[in-house]
This record gives sequence, C-alpha cells and structure tokens, in this order.
Amino acid sequence: DADVTQTPRNRITKTGKRIMLECSQTKGHDRMYWYRQDPGLGLRLIYYSFDVKDINKGEISDGYSVSRQAQAKFSLSLESAIPNQTALYFCATRGRAGATSLGSYNEQFFGPGTRLTVL
Amino acid sequence: RKEVEQDPGPFNVPEGATVAFNCTYSNSASQSFFWYRQDCRKEPKLLMSVYSSGNEDGRFTAQLNRASQYISLLIRDSKLSDSATYLCVVNTDTGNQFYFGTGTSLTVIP
Repeated sequence: DADVTQTPRNRITKTGKRIMLECSQTKGHDRMYWYRQDPGLGLRLIYYSFDVKDINKGEISDGYSVSRQAQAKFSLSLESAIPNQTALYFCATRGRAGATSLGSYNEQFFGPGTRLTVL
Repeated sequence: RKEVEQDPGPFNVPEGATVAFNCTYSNSASQSFFWYRQDCRKEPKLLMSVYSSGNEDGRFTAQLNRASQYISLLIRDSKLSDSATYLCVVNTDTGNQFYFGTGTSLTVIP
C-alpha cells in the first residue's frame, strides 16, 4: 500500500462549488504539505502543517483552507472553486520517523496527486 | 524574482550521452538543496540531496556552488529510463518551506 494517499484522484466540478481534497499518510510523519502544480509554474506551496495544532499559509493560500484532523490526515478545501484553480494538487509529508540523516529528514514524500478541473 | 530558476529545456539527448542541468536560487541563506525526478503525470520523487562538497550516486553527480548560488546535476551514460522532468528544490533558511523550480525536461533517444 502507498505511504501517502490522496482522494479523489480526479475531479471535475463547476465554478462556485465547494471541494475537499483529502490526504492520508502511514509514514508517521509530523509535517504535511499541500502544493499545486501548473504548467510552466512548477509546484507552489498552498499550506503546510507541522502538527494538528499548527497550520501555516504558504505562497498561494488565497481561496483555499485546510484542516489537520489528525497527524495522519490533512485536507484541502476550495470553498468556492474557480476555473483558475484547475491544476494538479499534491500532498506531501516530511518527518523524523524513519529518518537516518538530515538529508533523509528533509526528504518530502508525495502522494499520487489529484487532478482537479473547475469548469 | 523567482526563488528557484531552471532552464525548462527540453533536452533531447542520445543514449549514452552526458547531460548537465543547472539551477539558480535567489535566497543566499538557503540551507538545503535537492534534485527530484518527476515522470509524466506522476508525483515527484527524491533523486538526491545536494551537499556542499558535492555528491555522487552512480551515474548522477550533484554540485552546489554557494558563491554563485547555483546547483547542478550531471547525468552520465544516459539511459532511456532517465527520461523525465528534473526538479531543483531549495529549502529556506527557516527550514519550513521548500521552493521548487519549474523543472527541466529530459528525453533520452534510442
């Protein structure tokens, strides 16, 4: 089974709808991240969380909100989806569990991605 | 100014060739540097961390030049399976955020 899972994998929705993307991990990591990837722009950080009580805005948080329900779960919500939120969304984790060096501690593990289309 | 900049390519090289990618970063206080590989429609995966002294992993060599604020990745004896997009990633001095380059596309041709 994958260590980092995302649901749904694909979603088509309409402008104005509320959408939730979910991320779960079994790596025991404390840090979790949400990114979006757009052609020509690379991955950009939306939100990140260091534990269930710690939520931080990233580079492009406007129009998004997150919830860290448990150490293993981190959800991203689009309260009112708009077409320019069409993108590939990735969840990632990072943490001390399993880390054998500073390099491996800094490694981020990504989920398979959610392709979201807003019409 | 972008935190991390890469030449998007594409680089099309024959099997067996040596190819090099460069990446520049803007924050001189950046602490950690990485190369990730991303296959088409897949998630990024860590290829290698980049250390100040340079490091090698098989056919892959990574170098860091702090004075000029650039990172390089050298791939020797290219294989068809090396075809992918290579992402340069930089960690800020606070360690909290990772900045990704837009990626460099590599296609290895038989």
